[in-house]
Amino acid sequence: QVQLQQSGPGLVKPSQTLSLTCAISGDSVSSNSAAWNWIRQSPSRGLEWLGRTYYRSKWFNDYAVSVKSRIIINPDTSKNQFSLQLHSVTPDDTAVYYCARSSGETDYWGQGTLVTVSS
Amino acid sequence: EVVLTQSPGTLSLSPGERATLSCRASQSVGSTYLAWYQQPPGQAPRLLIYAASNRATGIPDRFSGSGSGTDFTLTISRLEPEDFAVYFCQQYADSPTFGQGTKVEIK
Repeated sequence: QVQLQQSGPGLVKPSQTLSLTCAISGDSVSSNSAAWNWIRQSPSRGLEWLGRTYYRSKWFNDYAVSVKSRIIINPDTSKNQFSLQLHSVTPDDTAVYYCARSSGETDYWGQGTLVTVSS
Repeated sequence: EVVLTQSPGTLSLSPGERATLSCRASQSVGSTYLAWYQQPPGQAPRLLIYAASNRATGIPDRFSGSGSGTDFTLTISRLEPEDFAVYFCQQYADSPTFGQGTKVEIK
């Protein structure tokens, strides 16, 4: 059974960097058949896919156009986890952030972290 | 970007009734790259259906999916109390996108 455990602060100041981590159990971040995603949800934007990292003989990243200039998703093979960094946040980035595994469809989700961007 | 439009926005039904939810894509996603999720209040989404018509592990057979190309349907044959929730479709043929959701509420 795959489980994803998220951690990170729930409050970030405008212009700063939002950082979250997702610890994986029951699978490997280096899996050749899975991708590791960050998705957010807010009343104004609904469910929004932000990006993913995956390993297919080498590491790849895909990012949504809407955040491509300020997002980094990194795997950490030593801890079997992956992370999200979203730079230069504004109040519009306030949302519940989810990490998730996909193998095509998104089959496992983290518990969600409410991140509020406010001074 | 593939835009998914779900209808209706809200469905008011009684337990035991049949629910039919629609998801329309702005361009074809084939029959392999469409999923449905259920989201109870305060929880993460849960995968119900993948590849348009395949039930995920542990999903009851009252849930079924159909469609291909740009038009997809999720049917709940007989609503149970735990089925009242918000349902989302997602395409993963391209960069993943989600529909805006259909809320199934108790009438």
